[in-house]
Amino acid sequence: EPEVTQTPSHQVTQMGQEVILRCVPISNHLYFYWYRQILGQKVEFLVSFYNNEISEKSEIFDDQFSVERPDGSNFTLKIRSTKLEDSAMYFCASSRTSGGLGFGPGTRLLVL
Amino acid sequence: SQQGEEDPQALSIQEGENATMNCSYKTSINNLQWYRQNSGRGLVHLILIRSNEREKHSGRLRVTLDTSKKSSSLLITASRAADTASYFCATDAGDYKLSFGAGTTVTVRA
Repeated sequence: EPEVTQTPSHQVTQMGQEVILRCVPISNHLYFYWYRQILGQKVEFLVSFYNNEISEKSEIFDDQFSVERPDGSNFTLKIRSTKLEDSAMYFCASSRTSGGLGFGPGTRLLVL
Repeated sequence: SQQGEEDPQALSIQEGENATMNCSYKTSINNLQWYRQNSGRGLVHLILIRSNEREKHSGRLRVTLDTSKKSSSLLITASRAADTASYFCATDAGDYKLSFGAGTTVTVRA
């Protein structure tokens, strides 16, 4: 069964550095998402992406964040200047329509 | 906010017993979904129930939805050790973003 994949699985970075988290959504899916989960807290919506543009974003998704679909298969989340509070598990997800989302295994980001 | 809130926060049961967890939410929804998360891993979609449905089954899972009470329940029958995980409800208002609850941690003892 097709799955969403994410790389890297773990990333450690210094505060202020830029990070790019990569995702390969399920191939026939049209909607793409990023969520994050700070340790011990709820899964939080960051952004949804459809037809090469952002369709929804949360208050968390400020100017430090950006998303891109650079080619037909990858979907990336960039954090321009990381802060300590950006440490979290970041999940990519995709869906064909408004149904159940397929989530990737996550990238654990640690900002020091 | 229309976030789902699960109850109880934690549940410990013996293998073979049933596990029931509840979810309440605040505003109108398009559908409600349940996900499972094993420790430190990604979210696995279990079941989706639409706002015009009252009950849905998938294998050992049974989900109910009561839109008048803005609540849902997830029942896992004949639990197994492999069911040990955190279970989250997530509400979808049709705007392609899910609002997750804090989850119920289920431990199935062998």
